[in-house]
Amino acid sequence: NAGVTQTPKFQVLKTGQSMTLQCAQDMNHNSMYWYRQDPGMGLRLIYYSASEGTTDKGEVPNGYNVSRLNKREFSLRLESAAPSQTSVYFCASGSNIAAPWDEQYFGPGTRLTVT
Amino acid sequence: KQEVTQIPAALSVPEGENLVLNCSFTDSAIYNLQWFRQDPGKGLTSLLLIQSSQREQTSGRLNASLDKSSGRSTLYIAASQPGDSATYLCAVDSNYQLIWGAGTKLIIKP
Repeated sequence: NAGVTQTPKFQVLKTGQSMTLQCAQDMNHNSMYWYRQDPGMGLRLIYYSASEGTTDKGEVPNGYNVSRLNKREFSLRLESAAPSQTSVYFCASGSNIAAPWDEQYFGPGTRLTVT
Repeated sequence: KQEVTQIPAALSVPEGENLVLNCSFTDSAIYNLQWFRQDPGKGLTSLLLIQSSQREQTSGRLNASLDKSSGRSTLYIAASQPGDSATYLCAVDSNYQLIWGAGTKLIIKP
């Protein structure tokens, strides 16, 4: 039982390049999330998926797109990377998006640098 | 708009001490509050979740309290150990989204 896995662990991009961050969970969870964490700040929600086939914007969705490929996988795409997207990206999953909110389980993160 | 603040940003204490980490939030209309631990280069681990109807939760040496009316939560760590060194984050469930504090970096000196 690997929990939540993310690939890659590290990535350096040039401004304007595109890439997709991959996330998979093996806990049969319905909901999945993408966050970014910047120095000195709390995590901020980029997008989430309450269930397979649905996605919704979070607090900071601009510049990103997501795909809930199936129940296990939730990918985050940067179409044209900008230096402001330099951050650590975390994927998480949870068993139930309805209130009360259940525990979220986090992946190890992807450290992205855009030059 | 919900805002979550954690003070202090960093804390260093000798091993064996009991300590309290603070979390405050601006909107008392929350569903629950969670405390997480983050180790360098690793993901976040959920420590405790307090439902809005609860006042506290305990897990081993950890005790988290919630006072919704004053917008405060505390995480009490008893008999601290060097292995407790990490960044501790609190997050409130506000309108089905987790709003996070910036964390308190805790260092336990042997």
